[in-house]
Amino acid sequence: DTGVSQNPRHKITKRGQNVTFRCDPISEHNRLYWYRQTLGQGPEFLTYFQNEAQLEKSRLLSDRFSAERPKGSFSTLEIQRTEQGDSAMYLCASSFSVGGGGGRGTEAFFGQGTRLTVV
Amino acid sequence: AQSVTQLGSHVSVSEGALVLLRCNYSSSVPPYLFWYVQYPNQGLQLLLKYTSAATLVKGINGFEAEFKKSETSFHLTKPSAHMSDAAEYFCAVSGRLNDYKLSFGAGTTVTVRA
Repeated sequence: DTGVSQNPRHKITKRGQNVTFRCDPISEHNRLYWYRQTLGQGPEFLTYFQNEAQLEKSRLLSDRFSAERPKGSFSTLEIQRTEQGDSAMYLCASSFSVGGGGGRGTEAFFGQGTRLTVV
Repeated sequence: AQSVTQLGSHVSVSEGALVLLRCNYSSSVPPYLFWYVQYPNQGLQLLLKYTSAATLVKGINGFEAEFKKSETSFHLTKPSAHMSDAAEYFCAVSGRLNDYKLSFGAGTTVTVRA
């Protein structure tokens, strides 16, 4: 297993177009997280999945954003009608966690990200 | 709700000198605190984490951090900087164990002078 994989690494799109990013987590990890990182800032949480269930979405995730994780494996993040403000690095992370607070778990491993530029 | 503030967006140190990166947290519950490093065009790598087991936490690459509840701080240090330490460093907080819905600071860029 080579870690968390994100594709594409770079995407340039015209304003108004739709884009989709893919994240392949570490195979045994049941949790998957999406973050957005703009230049000069720390990553901001967008959403996360436990298996195939999307458990939480940030207010940052507008109606133009949708994420899926079919069958609890890879995940996709789609942005519809892109705007210049969507230009950012989109990071995916995965981890394994059992139970609630105090349960067994691993650290989260991050992918290298997809850099989106909207022109 | 949890948040962190990193003091200083940029730190420049000489090779061999002490590296000190400052992080203060705010949390309504006992916090779980993290330091990550990010190299250009790369994802984030975990340096160390505080999960209430010990206040002095040792991480990879010679880094360590001390949790001080009275000061609400979790500063990162390394006794002797190496050229390979040049990167961006992020402090982050979570309110639950093994929960990586993290709130990150704005980051501190470290440059190392030869």
